[in-house]
Amino acid sequence: EVQLVQSGAEVRKPGESLKISCKAFGFTFTNYYIAWVRQMPGKGLEWMGIIYPGDSSARYSPSFQGQVTFSADKSITTAYLQWISLKASDTAMYFCASPAGYSDGWPDLWGQGTLITVSS
Amino acid sequence: EVVLTQSPATLSLSPGDRATLTCRASQSVSNYLAWYQLKPGQAPRLLIYNASNRATGIPARFSGSGSGTDFSLTISSLEPEDFAMYYCQQRGNWWTFGQGTKVEIK
Repeated sequence: EVQLVQSGAEVRKPGESLKISCKAFGFTFTNYYIAWVRQMPGKGLEWMGIIYPGDSSARYSPSFQGQVTFSADKSITTAYLQWISLKASDTAMYFCASPAGYSDGWPDLWGQGTLITVSS
Repeated sequence: EVVLTQSPATLSLSPGDRATLTCRASQSVSNYLAWYQLKPGQAPRLLIYNASNRATGIPARFSGSGSGTDFSLTISSLEPEDFAMYYCQQRGNWWTFGQGTKVEIK
């Protein structure tokens, strides 16, 4: 089955580091970008950026440049979103997404989301 | 950055009603616009891409139109499961989302 499966919810303290994952099943991982999308509590969707697993090249939206790091491991078809030092404002649901269907490059395959709570 | 402005913020309608949501871009994005549905506790669902193409498995009651800076999503006859948040997204100049329209039961 074609799907993206994300790692489970996390609770961290401000200043801690974190890496969450998004594992791809059922399609050629290196053929499509993986996008990351944030939804803060009660707010809308925000496009964080994309990574191309084939060469691990990444592009970040301006608001997220320098705040997070995308990575990917082709050998285990998994993409990652990483923080070095979390802030309370990083509390949000994070989705990964990929255009692995037939939608001309638009993300039509989504993970179930990973809820990150940052609180002291 | 291309700013997408969705209107109205909230649409209060009854099942069976027609819903028309609009999305205006701050500069032309050609036809590089998509629409998503988002329900609480679920992942976003791609409905329409390239302004007017329905994604796989999307019912025919959903349709999209527009080009350049003005776009619309129409739901011809609202089903109970259609009450949700709707977001537009452009990729004509990087990628950005609109702020969303809530379709609620009147």
